[in-house]
Amino acid sequence: GAVVSQHPSWVICKSGTSVKIECRSLDFQATTMFWYRQFPKQSLMLMATSNEGSKATYEQGVEKDKFLINHASLTLSTLTVTSAHPEDSSFYICSARGWGIEAFFGQGTRLTVV
Amino acid sequence: DAKTTQPNSMESNEEEPVHLPCNHSTISGTDYIHWYRQLPSQGPEYVIHGLTSNVNNRMASLAIAEDRKSSTLILHRATLRDAAVYYCILRLLQGAQKLVFGQGTRLTINP
Repeated sequence: GAVVSQHPSWVICKSGTSVKIECRSLDFQATTMFWYRQFPKQSLMLMATSNEGSKATYEQGVEKDKFLINHASLTLSTLTVTSAHPEDSSFYICSARGWGIEAFFGQGTRLTVV
Repeated sequence: DAKTTQPNSMESNEEEPVHLPCNHSTISGTDYIHWYRQLPSQGPEYVIHGLTSNVNNRMASLAIAEDRKSSTLILHRATLRDAAVYYCILRLLQGAQKLVFGQGTRLTINP
C-alpha cells in the first residue's frame, strides 16, 4: 500500500505553546487528507477533512481556531494545535487519499501537554 | 453516515480461521464497505474493501451478504500478528468520502 508519514511520532510541549504535526504522502498525491484524534481505549474521532488548496472542513464540535489545518500541497498537510492544554493530550492520526478508493494512514503522533 | 455494528471483542486461536462480522442494515447503494485494523499505538492499516461482490487479497477475504446489510471479514489462518482492533466502515462514494470509525472489534489471538 501507499505510504503516509507523520512527524513527529511523539511530542511533549508546555501548556500554552503551539505544536505543529506534519503529514506527508510519500509516493502518491493526496487530494484529500483527514485528521483524527484518538483518546486511550477509544476509537478514532474525525476532526477535519482538507482538500489541497482549500480550507479544511471541520467536524461539529472541533474548534477550527484551535486546530489549524493547512493542506498547501498534494503531499503535505499540517495540523497545528494552538495554545495547547493538558486536555489536548491525545494520539493524532492523519489519513490521505489520492485518486483511488482506499485511504492510507500515518503512524500517528502522540502529543503530551504538560 | 450509515452506521455499522460489530461485536466488542472476539477471541481465536493461532492458525485457525477467524470470521469477523459487521452489520450495516442502513447501507445505501453507493456505500463501499471498508475494513481497517489498528495495532496498539499505530495508525490504522487498510485491510480490504468491497461494494457488492466478495473480495480476496493477500491479507483477508471479504464476504458481503446478498442484501449488503452485513459483511464478514475472514482471516484464513490467524497469526499472533493479527491481534488488533478491526474496524468495519461504510464510505459514501460522494462528497468528502470520509471514513467515520465505530468502536470496532478487539481480536485476541491465543497461541
